[in-house]
Amino acid sequence: NAGVTQTPKFQVLKTGQSMTLQCAQDMNHNSMYWYRQDPGMGLRLIYYSASEGTTDKGEVPNGYNVSRLNKREFSLRLESAAPSQTSVYFCASSATETQYFGPGTRLLVL
Amino acid sequence: GIQVEQSPPDLILQEGANSTLRCNFSDSVNNLQWFHQNPWGQLINLFYIPSGTKQNGRLSATTVATERYSLLYISSSQTTDSGVYFCAVERTTDSWGKLQFGAGTQVVVTP
Repeated sequence: NAGVTQTPKFQVLKTGQSMTLQCAQDMNHNSMYWYRQDPGMGLRLIYYSASEGTTDKGEVPNGYNVSRLNKREFSLRLESAAPSQTSVYFCASSATETQYFGPGTRLLVL
Repeated sequence: GIQVEQSPPDLILQEGANSTLRCNFSDSVNNLQWFHQNPWGQLINLFYIPSGTKQNGRLSATTVATERYSLLYISSSQTTDSGVYFCAVERTTDSWGKLQFGAGTQVVVTP
């Protein structure tokens, strides 16, 4: 039982490049979330998916797209990366109120 | 949106000491969670506590929803308690799962 897994662990991009962050959970949770964490700040919600087939914007959705591929997987895509998107990205999942987090992806955009 | 304020921002403790972390929020909530982020970045859920009191080992939490605050108590602190503690809330009027995080309290426990 791996919980919530994220790939890659670390990525360096140049401005304008695109990439997809992958997230998978094996806990049969309905809800999944993407957050970003900037230095000295708490996490901010980018997008979430209350159930398979649905996605909704969070607090900071601009510059991102998401896909809920199936119940297990929820991906986050940066179409044209910007330096302001340098951050640590966390994926989480939940069945009820309690959210369980993955280990994070550190993204550096030059 | 809802404001979530945590205090103190930083805390240095000697091993064995007790401490209290506070979370104030500006609107009524139906979901409040405390998380610990260890020095390696991993986030662990400590408590789901929209109201009342819960205890888990040396940690306990109390939320007084009517007065819009929550407290996290660490007793007999250990070096493994070091890290950042986050409070996160969901407004009663918000959609499911839209947690708003505070800025956190950085705790350092020295031997």
